Amino acid sequence: DAGVIQSPRHEVTEMGQEVTLRCKPISGHNSLFWYRQTMMRGLELLIYFNNNVPIDDSGMPEDRFSAKMPNASFSTLKIQPSEPRDSAVYFCASSPLAGGWQPQHFGDGTRLSIL
Amino acid sequence: GESVGLHLPTLSVQEGDNSIINCAYSNSASDYFIWYKQESGKGPQFIIDIRSNMDKRQGQRVTVLLNKTVKHLSLQIAATQPGDSAVYFCAENMPGGGNKLTFGTGTQLKVEL
Repeated sequence: DAGVIQSPRHEVTEMGQEVTLRCKPISGHNSLFWYRQTMMRGLELLIYFNNNVPIDDSGMPEDRFSAKMPNASFSTLKIQPSEPRDSAVYFCASSPLAGGWQPQHFGDGTRLSIL
Repeated sequence: GESVGLHLPTLSVQEGDNSIINCAYSNSASDYFIWYKQESGKGPQFIIDIRSNMDKRQGQRVTVLLNKTVKHLSLQIAATQPGDSAVYFCAENMPGGGNKLTFGTGTQLKVEL
C-alpha cells in the first residue's frame, strides 16, 4: 500500500522565492497534518485538516505560510516569501478520522534549504 | 553566529541487550500516549500507543509503561537489534483534540555491535 507521498524530497532556493510543498495522504484518511522539524524546536505541528477543512492553524508561524487542501487526495504548504529561518524538514502525515485516537502515518518529508 | 540546536539525549546499548527509553509528559489530561521511531532521512514511524486508563501494553519486542502518578512514560525494547538504531519520540494526544499530537524532544538510540 502506498504511504503518504511528499514532493519534492529536497528543495534549495534563494531567499524571497515562493516555495510550494506537496502532499498526497493515504487513500481513505480524512485527517491531514503538516509538521516542521528543526534541531532548535524539534517536531512542531503547523496545521491540520479534517475532511479538507482546516481545523487548527495555530502552529503556522506567520502570514508568509499558507496551507490548502482542495480535495481529499492533495494538500499544499506554501511559503511566500521564503526566508533562511524557514529552512527545515517539513513532514506531512495522515490518519483516519474516527471517534477516538488513530495513529498518524508520516511521509518521508521535504528537506527545505533557503539560501 | 552558529545556532545552538537541541541536544538529544543518547542511549547506547549493546546488541541483544534490552533498551529502556524514558519520557516525561506534561499534561495530565492527555488521553493517549504514543511512541514513534524516526530513522535518518525518514519520517516518524508509529510503534505503539497506550491509553491513559492502562499502565502497560505489549507489542512485538516492545512494551510501553505508563505511570500517571509521576507523568512518566517508557518504551522497552527487548533484544535490541542494529535496526533499532533511531531517534525515538513520545507524543501525547488530548481528548477532544482530534488526532492532534504534541511531541517530545526525542532520544537517540545507538546499538553497538
